[in-house]
Amino acid sequence: EDQVTQSPEALRLQEGESSSLNCSYTVSGLRGLFWYRQDPGKGPEFLFTLYSAGEEKEKERLKATLTKKESFLHITAPKPEDSATYLCAVRGQAGNNRKLIWGLGTSLAVNP
Amino acid sequence: DAMVIQNPRYQVTQFGKPVTLSCSQTLNHNVMYWYQQKSSQAPKLLFHYYDKDFNNEADTPDNFQSRRPNTSFCFLDIRSPGLGDAAMYLCATAGLNTEAFFGQGTRLTVV
Repeated sequence: EDQVTQSPEALRLQEGESSSLNCSYTVSGLRGLFWYRQDPGKGPEFLFTLYSAGEEKEKERLKATLTKKESFLHITAPKPEDSATYLCAVRGQAGNNRKLIWGLGTSLAVNP
Repeated sequence: DAMVIQNPRYQVTQFGKPVTLSCSQTLNHNVMYWYQQKSSQAPKLLFHYYDKDFNNEADTPDNFQSRRPNTSFCFLDIRSPGLGDAAMYLCATAGLNTEAFFGQGTRLTVV
């Protein structure tokens, strides 16, 4: 069964303290791993898509990496405005491959 | 230049009174999704369309219906809202095998 597990559930950092969020997945035939940021009361905001092991994407202080079993979202020198919930989702090739399988998210708080 | 627009942002409805939420997109994507999200939970897929092909999730209650009259618009109808249906409702669109883009959501309150 396709599954996504994110860790930790919650993370509190000091401003400037770099860290990583983990997304472990089990899927038959990965057709994309997606990272989103969600602020309270808003819809998820798309960050990155990764398709194959070894792929990396960067945007400002964020860098996403992918292996055959997991993805990391690295946050370098975070700022308070990076505080949000970060969601990971995958799309597989089995069955209806238009569906996304979601993790429960990591709630990140960055203190000034 | 919003690409996926949901209306209204906030909706208050009475217990049992039908309510309709709307979603429009300017991306011309084939796929449109409706998700329900409750506090601190992942989005839960209710159904999705691939063009006019409707795909219902097995555990979506019959109380929830959807319409997609054309590529740009999609509606979520809740026939008899209960207190347990209070949630954020998210619309998203995607091209085939591409990332999904979300609207800002509609926060539904049932009184």
